[in-house]
Amino acid sequence: DAKTTQPPSMDCAEGRAANLPCNHSTISGNEYVYWYRQIHSQGPQYIIHGLKNNETNEMASLIITEDRKSSTLILPHATLRDTAVYYCIVRAYSSASKIIFGSGTRLSIRP
Amino acid sequence: DGGITQSPKYLFRKEGQNVTLSCEQNLNHDAMYWYRQDPGQGLRLIYYSQIVNDFQKGDIAEGYSVSREKKESFPLTVTSAQKNPTAFYLCASSIRHLQQGYEQFFGPGTRLTVL
Repeated sequence: DAKTTQPPSMDCAEGRAANLPCNHSTISGNEYVYWYRQIHSQGPQYIIHGLKNNETNEMASLIITEDRKSSTLILPHATLRDTAVYYCIVRAYSSASKIIFGSGTRLSIRP
Repeated sequence: DGGITQSPKYLFRKEGQNVTLSCEQNLNHDAMYWYRQDPGQGLRLIYYSQIVNDFQKGDIAEGYSVSREKKESFPLTVTSAQKNPTAFYLCASSIRHLQQGYEQFFGPGTRLTVL
């Protein structure tokens, strides 16, 4: 199963867009890209997912490159409450296993 | 409100004792999962269940056991065979999307400390 690579930490000024990159160069054709975030000592929270088209919801936008080997999560107007560890995951839609959570990116928002 | 509950939030046990962590969901989800998280690390899959009375080992199943007798419940037992049981344990569930990928919902977690 595909693994992902994310920078260990990033920071962003409050009110600016936070762009979190993820590399998944071995992604298979039937695997989706998921993003979750985890605030300290809480369970992870689902943010967004996509297959090959860009996606947007009330929380974020997901930009997937045409070759699907990388993606970027965009938080359009970061707030202090967006401080968390962000996980990028790839998973086949038909599989409940092999869900590989890496170490994620620790995003810090500066006031 | 619908969601996933895990109890207790903090649990302390003596070394050599088995301990069972509870996970209950009222989302009517078919699939349930158990993960372990160590400090500063990502999540690792222990066990998962796609349907009642069926479950599969994840990546780190040794020293753990589960049961899935009811759709809404997926308890995890940490046995004395687990060498490093102190960790943050997360339960999750998801509904099977036939045309889309799974979206998982996570519980608040149980922090287990073995003394």
